[in-house]
Amino acid sequence: DAKTTQPTSMDCAEGRAANLPCNHSTISGNEYVYWYRQIHSQGPQYIIHGLKNNETNEMASLIITEDRKSSTLILPHATLRDTAVYYCIVRDNNAGNMLTFGGGTRLMVKP
Amino acid sequence: DTGVSQDPRHKITKRGQNVTFRCDPISEHNRLYWYRQTLGQGPEFLTYFQNEAQLEKSRLLSDRFSAERPKGSFSTLEIQRTEQGDSAMYLCASSQTMGLAREGFEQFFGPGTRLTVL
Repeated sequence: DAKTTQPTSMDCAEGRAANLPCNHSTISGNEYVYWYRQIHSQGPQYIIHGLKNNETNEMASLIITEDRKSSTLILPHATLRDTAVYYCIVRDNNAGNMLTFGGGTRLMVKP
Repeated sequence: DTGVSQDPRHKITKRGQNVTFRCDPISEHNRLYWYRQTLGQGPEFLTYFQNEAQLEKSRLLSDRFSAERPKGSFSTLEIQRTEQGDSAMYLCASSQTMGLAREGFEQFFGPGTRLTVL
């Protein structure tokens, strides 16, 4: 079962920041937070992951709260091509290798 | 582009027929995963391989499902005696194990094979 809770859908205006929340209140110390996205008719695509500290890469930023019970994925300047389903996943890198996807957040970027 | 490829992209079959899907991972990746995705849901893990060894198969949906990776490169997923409930997107992913937990656990997904069972 998925260990994360995400809003079902969100809208964002093109060019604005998209902030996608995720609750993972039962996360354990060994579990990382991963974000993937899935554009229509494509396979999921890795975005970013983190353990405790905030992370940034060329695609997005990941903000993890100090208690690690929630996180936010930030797309700083959303474009129409960012319209997708975004999945927040918690995963213990040391035990098993599967990704457990929940329902994700359907982000619609509007002109 | 040397990403993960899957063949066929679409498959329509009649109930009771057997189907086989192929996945070619990124060439240097030693791990290969199969997932299933039904409409409106996130992908659901089925099985995975490290090289030619199938390390987890308890999540395969029934004994009608089987997977192989005979030479540690490409993999096949077979569904015998297909049922209408098998209609879904079947996704393959690959990754490379690394020494440090923070590195290398990204899974690269293929475009999927969409199965329709009539």
